[in-house]
Amino acid sequence: ETGVTQSPTHLIKTRGQQVTLRCSSQSGHNTVSWYQQALGQGPQFIFQYYREEENGRGNFPPRFSGLQFPNYSSELNVNALELDDSALYLCASSPGGRGAGTGELFFGEGSRLTVL
Amino acid sequence: DQQVKQNSPSLSVQEGRISILNCDYTNSMFDYFLWYKKYPAEGPTFLISISSIKDKNEDGRFTVFLNKSAKHLSLHIVPSQPGDSAVYFCAARSTGNQFYFGTGTSLTVIP
Repeated sequence: ETGVTQSPTHLIKTRGQQVTLRCSSQSGHNTVSWYQQALGQGPQFIFQYYREEENGRGNFPPRFSGLQFPNYSSELNVNALELDDSALYLCASSPGGRGAGTGELFFGEGSRLTVL
Repeated sequence: DQQVKQNSPSLSVQEGRISILNCDYTNSMFDYFLWYKKYPAEGPTFLISISSIKDKNEDGRFTVFLNKSAKHLSLHIVPSQPGDSAVYFCAARSTGNQFYFGTGTSLTVIP
């Protein structure tokens, strides 16, 4: 069973640039969520995708966008980067859609983004 | 607004003793509560969960207690082992499968 993998693991961007982060979900999982974890904070929900459609969104501006592909992998895109976007971005997959089971999330190791 | 709070940023416990990690929440509509453990440079890993209709769930050395009237849950680890040293996050699931996480408690188990 392949776990959740994310790429890149680390990257540095400058203000105003755009970034794309990628995530491969665990085999058999059709739901992917993205979280932002700032230093010293807990993960904060950005959005979730279920069967290629956005299935919930947290309190993040529209410059945070995403995609899910037919193989359930996903991308997180952030436009017009700001210094406060510096964080660990975590992708999590789960085996069901809305309300499925306990909704346990299986996390990847994260992509650490630094915005200068 | 922080709907899930962990008020203790750190906790140190002697090996073999009990570790108690606490979590408070504000939203009475949460239906599941979960604990995650995180080692440096790794993603959080699921530890144990409890449904809002239960008040206790046990899995080996780990027990989670839920007090709905107080909107409080706790994770008990007994006996604590040095390998338990990690950051522990409390999380709660709302409608729409959105999870809210606390800020974490760093547990150190002293050999």
